[in-house]
Amino acid sequence: DAGVIQSPRHEVTEMGQEVTLRCKPISGHDYLFWYRQTMMRGLELLIYFNNNVPIDDSGMPEDRFSAKMPNASFSTLKIQPSEPRDSAVYFCASSYHGEQFFGPGTRLTVL
Amino acid sequence: QQPVQSPQAVILREGEDAVINCSSSKALYSVHWYRQKHGEAPVFLMILLKGGEQKGHEKISASFNEKKQQSSLYLTASQLSYSGTYFCGPTAGRNTPLVFGKGTRLSVIA
Repeated sequence: DAGVIQSPRHEVTEMGQEVTLRCKPISGHDYLFWYRQTMMRGLELLIYFNNNVPIDDSGMPEDRFSAKMPNASFSTLKIQPSEPRDSAVYFCASSYHGEQFFGPGTRLTVL
Repeated sequence: QQPVQSPQAVILREGEDAVINCSSSKALYSVHWYRQKHGEAPVFLMILLKGGEQKGHEKISASFNEKKQQSSLYLTASQLSYSGTYFCGPTAGRNTPLVFGKGTRLSVIA
């Protein structure tokens, strides 16, 4: 199995631009999680899905953030408009029986 | 609410032991432990479940005290490969998400 796949691995953009992060979970996993990691705040859960349905998005910082999971093999996290404080590493993780498998992350830099 | 991990950082020589603690203000159903090496994604180590069921990984052990809402990770005879940041992630229920602590940075030196 290829594991959780995320793209892009690195993204540099300017303030105000739209950013879309992509995630392909491990086949057969029914939970998908989006996390953001910064030095100051650590690893924060943004939103998670169960069987493609958003369950809890209370960690999404603002309306500028949105996430979708149109099918079991694909999810996106969109930031529009982006701001410098959104700079972080964004991880996607999937699970089936509790253990979470993390993707390699997307390092986002907003100038 | 974020669990509290202690210590924040520790330096060990190869072969030494360490204990990392994780405390939560909420009643716990399970505790997950992950390790993250610099520049990489977190990797699952272990789940401890309420009632004593335990899953393990490598040669690292852990305990889970439901009454005290605490978990501890034990690393014995540490190896250079143990270096990294260790995160605990308690859950309050069977289908509730993890809330990760801020991590404990472990450095093992020769």
